[in-house]
Amino acid sequence: AQKVTQAQTEISVVEKEDVTLDCVYETRDTTYYLFWYKQPPSGELVFLIRRNSFDEQNEISGRYSWNFQKSTSSFNFTITASQVVDSAVYFCALSEKGGTSYGKLTFGQGTILTVHP
Amino acid sequence: KAGVTQTPRYLIKTRGQQVTLSCSPISGHRSVSWYQQTPGQGLQFLFEYFSETQRNKGNFPGRFSGRQFSNSRSEMNVSTLELGDSALYLCASSFSAGSSYEQYFGPGTRLTVT
Repeated sequence: AQKVTQAQTEISVVEKEDVTLDCVYETRDTTYYLFWYKQPPSGELVFLIRRNSFDEQNEISGRYSWNFQKSTSSFNFTITASQVVDSAVYFCALSEKGGTSYGKLTFGQGTILTVHP
Repeated sequence: KAGVTQTPRYLIKTRGQQVTLSCSPISGHRSVSWYQQTPGQGLQFLFEYFSETQRNKGNFPGRFSGRQFSNSRSEMNVSTLELGDSALYLCASSFSAGSSYEQYFGPGTRLTVT
């Protein structure tokens, strides 16, 4: 069975601090996809990144960066120089299989990030 | 390009009633998935439709059903509502071709069962 664990339930930081959100996953599939989503108070899930199991390259997008380590089954997300607008719930998710079906995602419990001015 | 739309955005129903929620995916997206989000259980997968066929189903009772139309719009139905069905219901539409992949969620329908 697939499982995603986000050990940090809540994180509170002050603006401009760097913050890392941890994500550990379990799957028996050799081909899988990992995702991060942001859920602001409005409720809509905003897609941040997708990574497939064959691509362990780290990725940077502006203040966001992701560290994928297959050896430890982790896909961590770092926000550099956090801002108040980064306050949201962040979800890590795993797709059941690669191929054509990405629709079934297994989500972690989410990490509530609060950035104080 | 218009995003995923869900209607209605808010709904209040009474126990025992039934409800139908609608989701219109992004143009060109043929896959629609539904999720239930509650404070206790988090985000849980309900089902996925692709080209009018249910491709995956989560662990929910038969009171939860869905369908997809030829224009890719999808509906989900919950019959005999229970208090525990109160949740945010999120719809996602996705597109995949080769290495290209997109998946976007709608704003959700917040259902309250009293």
